[in-house]
Amino acid sequence: DAGVTQSPTHLIKTRGQQVTLRCSPKSGHDTVSWYQQALGQGPQFIFQYYEEEERQRGNFPDRFSGHQFPNYSSELNVNALLLGDSALYLCASSNSPLAGVSYEQYFGPGTRLTVT
Amino acid sequence: DAKTTQPPSMDCAEGRAANLPCNHSTISGNEYVYWYRQIHSQGPQYIIHGLKNNETNEMASLIITEDRKSSTLILPHATLRDTAVYYCIVRSHTGTASKLTFGTGTRLQVTL
Repeated sequence: DAGVTQSPTHLIKTRGQQVTLRCSPKSGHDTVSWYQQALGQGPQFIFQYYEEEERQRGNFPDRFSGHQFPNYSSELNVNALLLGDSALYLCASSNSPLAGVSYEQYFGPGTRLTVT
Repeated sequence: DAKTTQPPSMDCAEGRAANLPCNHSTISGNEYVYWYRQIHSQGPQYIIHGLKNNETNEMASLIITEDRKSSTLILPHATLRDTAVYYCIVRSHTGTASKLTFGTGTRLQVTL
């Protein structure tokens, strides 16, 4: 059973460019959350997708957007990249928050984005 | 979600028990205590969670005080592979989303 997978592993972009990161959830999971982790900090919640809709959003600007597909996979898009967007981007999957059962989140290995 | 306070770093000798404390004095009645850890350059890994009672699984034990204002994660026989940043998170199971609010965690160094 494959866990959470993310692609690409590493990415280098220039300021002002746009980037798309991809995530496939663990088998059986239907909810995907995205986190940004700057060097030396804990992960910060960006947003969560369930049933192809954004359900909750953290304190991130509109330059950060996402999408969830019918197969539950997800994309994170960042426009107009800034140097400060350099970070490890983590995807986590879980069962529906409305399922009424325990739903720990399983994290992928992350995508390391460097903006120059 | 309630805020948590953890020591920034701890050391533990290999084979000994590692006891990682966490304060969550503003926790509310429906909030659970979760523990995750992050080994260098990997995604966080779920360890254990609990509401009121002490919990144990194959990785660790979680001791929650009776007033629920603090908890301790216990790794009974720490190994070098347990060197990681450990995050204590307080989180509600209600609502339409289940985000995790990470602090800066405790960096546990296990030594020979």
